[in-house]
Amino acid sequence: GDSVTQMEGPVTLSEEAFLTINCTYTATGYPSLFWYVQYPGEGLQLLLKATKADDKGSNKGFEATYRKETTSFHLEKGSVQVSDSAVYFCALTLASGGSYIPTFGRGTSLIVHP
Amino acid sequence: NAGVTQTPKFRVLKTGQSMTLLCAQDMNHEYMYWYRQDPGMGLRLIHYSVGEGTTAKGEVPDGYNVSRLKKQNFLLGLESAAPSQTSVYFCASSLRVLFDEQFFGPGTRLTVL
Repeated sequence: GDSVTQMEGPVTLSEEAFLTINCTYTATGYPSLFWYVQYPGEGLQLLLKATKADDKGSNKGFEATYRKETTSFHLEKGSVQVSDSAVYFCALTLASGGSYIPTFGRGTSLIVHP
Repeated sequence: NAGVTQTPKFRVLKTGQSMTLLCAQDMNHEYMYWYRQDPGMGLRLIHYSVGEGTTAKGEVPDGYNVSRLKKQNFLLGLESAAPSQTSVYFCASSLRVLFDEQFFGPGTRLTVL
């Protein structure tokens, strides 16, 4: 079945450091790919998305490129801030054979120190 | 727009008790989902609905039932709560399944003693 694998955390960085959170997927077909962020005590909210190969999603300084050849959607940010501390989830959606089940990775916790 | 709301925010149950979690969305979305979130497990889909009057099983449906009598509401029921159902429950909705993001509610923290 479809699956999403993301790097285990926590990822601990100093403020202004470069961030990469790896995400790879397995899917039959052409999924849409998403990154969600969850701040403590809150629900998930969309960070960025890409719906076809080579698309780049971007928001709030975060970027991710849909790489079909490597089945990856890695999240990057050039300079993290303390306020970026949160849990980040990679996810895919794929409508296949009447099934509409979204698939999420297990989440990666990011801790940014001043 | 309130977005997605969930009721209640917190609940403590004893083993064997029943309860219903209510999810409401005001965005006219067709698709609605119930997830549970447990430490180290990420989000797991319990049930989902592709429209009013329809429901389908997700990854972990056992012990739960759902109903979607109105387009804007999606109810999750626990008929006989068990300690293994202690979790944080999230409801979400989306306009379409493939290209559109899900909008999440704030969650319900459920403890079963």
